[in-house]
Amino acid sequence: DTGVSQNPRHKITKRGQNVTFRCDPISEHNRLYWYRQTLGQGPEFLTYFQNEAQLEKSRLLSDRFSAERPKGSFSTLEIQRTEQGDSAMYLCASSFSGRLNEKLFFGSGTQLSVL
Amino acid sequence: GNSVTQMEGPVTLSEEAFLTINCTYTATGYPSLFWYVQYPGEGLQLLLKATKADDKGSNKGFEATYRKETTSFHLEKGSVQVSDSAVYFCALSEKNTGNQFYFGTGTSLTVIP
Repeated sequence: DTGVSQNPRHKITKRGQNVTFRCDPISEHNRLYWYRQTLGQGPEFLTYFQNEAQLEKSRLLSDRFSAERPKGSFSTLEIQRTEQGDSAMYLCASSFSGRLNEKLFFGSGTQLSVL
Repeated sequence: GNSVTQMEGPVTLSEEAFLTINCTYTATGYPSLFWYVQYPGEGLQLLLKATKADDKGSNKGFEATYRKETTSFHLEKGSVQVSDSAVYFCALSEKNTGNQFYFGTGTSLTVIP
């Protein structure tokens, strides 16, 4: 068990460019979550998957954001036409829904800076 | 709706001081409550949890008791160490909302020798 892995750790991009982040969850975990965290704030829920199905999306998630988990393992989060307001830490977390009172295991995050 | 309100920081304490970080919540059902900690340069880690009223979660000398009557889950430690310096997040999770986690804004703790 190597924990939740996120790549890249840092991404700097120009406004209007597209970016894609990857998350590899803990292997036996069937749930995968994406959160966004800005300075001085707690993580804000974006979306989550159970296996390959995307079960919920936050109203915070504009149509420029899309997430996939094609084989129920790793996930990607793409942001199209980035804006400066997209600058944040993007966190991935995973859990196993079969247990009561599941806990989340977080990755170290991808820090996005949009110039 | 569900939400978590956390004591604002930053908090600075001397080593061996007593720590309290307040957390209150609003929930539509019967949530589970958590404290997560984020050490500098690292991801969030679960510190402790409680799943029903009057449960006490504890870990690494930290404790928090689930108080339904006051909708609170305050974090306490009797004697902090320099290594406890981190950001602490209170969170709740509820099956009625698909186990989505709701986090507070975080409280930064610095412990000085």
